[in-house]
Amino acid sequence: KAGVTQTPRYLIKTRGQQVTLSCSPISGHRSVSWYQQTPGQGLQFLFEYFSETQRNKGNFPGRFSGRQFSNSRSEMNVSTLELGDSALYLCASSRDRGNNEQFFGPGTRLTVL
Amino acid sequence: AQTVTQSQPEMSVQEAETVTLSCTYDTSENNYYLFWYKQPPSRQMILVIRQEAYKQQNATENRFSVNFQKAAKSFSLKISDSQLGDTAMYFCAFRIVGNEKLTFGTGTRLTIIP
Repeated sequence: KAGVTQTPRYLIKTRGQQVTLSCSPISGHRSVSWYQQTPGQGLQFLFEYFSETQRNKGNFPGRFSGRQFSNSRSEMNVSTLELGDSALYLCASSRDRGNNEQFFGPGTRLTVL
Repeated sequence: AQTVTQSQPEMSVQEAETVTLSCTYDTSENNYYLFWYKQPPSRQMILVIRQEAYKQQNATENRFSVNFQKAAKSFSLKISDSQLGDTAMYFCAFRIVGNEKLTFGTGTRLTIIP
């Protein structure tokens, strides 16, 4: 069974631009969560989607948004990029909410210049 | 709010030795899970071991075991017979039952020396 895939793996953008990252969960998994990983702040929860609905949200500004499609694939969008948005963005999928193991993807490395 | 603290930013140990990574957490919740995740240099996060708070018995997975002290809110990871492939960042994480959000500690960079 294929693991969690994230595209693109690397991305370079400039300040003020917007970016969309994609996450395809393991087949049969319906919950997708997103995390931001930086050297300074560590791993921080962005949001979680289940059945195309945002179920939980972390403490990030409204520039960070996401969605989930009927096939459970998820995208996250960051608008008006800032230098501080440079990070590794990880997504994780699980079969259902709450009690199942989460499987992480390899991440998307975003660099904002 | 939940917090997870890992007080050892870096550790190193000789191959085949035993090493213990520390983690403390703070929560007012009673039903939760605790995890240790491993993130090797290739960056793919992997679950090492999981502990349900309601279980008194410490979880074990082959060479990996935990010491879960619920009253002290302590959750340490012991790696026995360490191997070169154990070199990685190790993150302690917390999750409330019924919630997908993981709260991570700052990580411990573990290096296994040949």
